[in-house]
Amino acid sequence: EVLLQQSGAELVRPGSSVKISCKASGYTFTDYYMHWVKQRPEQGLVWIGRINPANGNTVYAEKFKSKATLTADKSSNTAYMQLSSLTSEDTATYFCTRGFAYWGQGTLVTVSS
Amino acid sequence: DIVMTQAPLSVSVTPGESASISCRSSKSLLHSNGITYVYWYLQKPGKSPQLLIYRMSNLASGVPDRFSGSGSETDFTLKISRVEAEDVGIYYCGQLLENPRTFGGGTKLELK
Repeated sequence: EVLLQQSGAELVRPGSSVKISCKASGYTFTDYYMHWVKQRPEQGLVWIGRINPANGNTVYAEKFKSKATLTADKSSNTAYMQLSSLTSEDTATYFCTRGFAYWGQGTLVTVSS
Repeated sequence: DIVMTQAPLSVSVTPGESASISCRSSKSLLHSNGITYVYWYLQKPGKSPQLLIYRMSNLASGVPDRFSGSGSETDFTLKISRVEAEDVGIYYCGQLLENPRTFGGGTKLELK
């Protein structure tokens, strides 16, 4: 069974950074891209980017190129997303998804002082 | 970027009746390989999106056959026959043809 287990909710200060994780199981981690999606409260789905866990190659949506950094650790089958210079606009639930068929449970990031 | 436009914003359906949701893309989603890369998702309150239909008309595993997808290169329809209480939520179409992946704004389905 394919499972994507994300790290827990985060409360962070404006201007800081946060790193959230997505641990994959039930399949060969390096065989599939991992995508990340943002959903602000009561809003729609916005694609952030994707990583190829086999070689670390990344592609980002234009608006996230200076906001998000995607990495992957093959030894632990875990994908990571770091968000930097956080503002209230970054308050959202972030999902990892394998091919948009399998989704993590989401990680709520709240940016507040 | 490919813009995905959904209609209506919301739909209210009597249990047992049918519902249809439309989605239009700003560019053809038909690849040269013959596959149309439009996908449909349902997001129930507080949950992750779940895949319903992939490649325009293919039913995802475990999804009831009350759900069906159809369309052309730029106009797509999700039909739900015999709506049940478990179908309540927000439906999204999405295109996986090219980067950036984009989604429609969502259609909220409620029961009358």
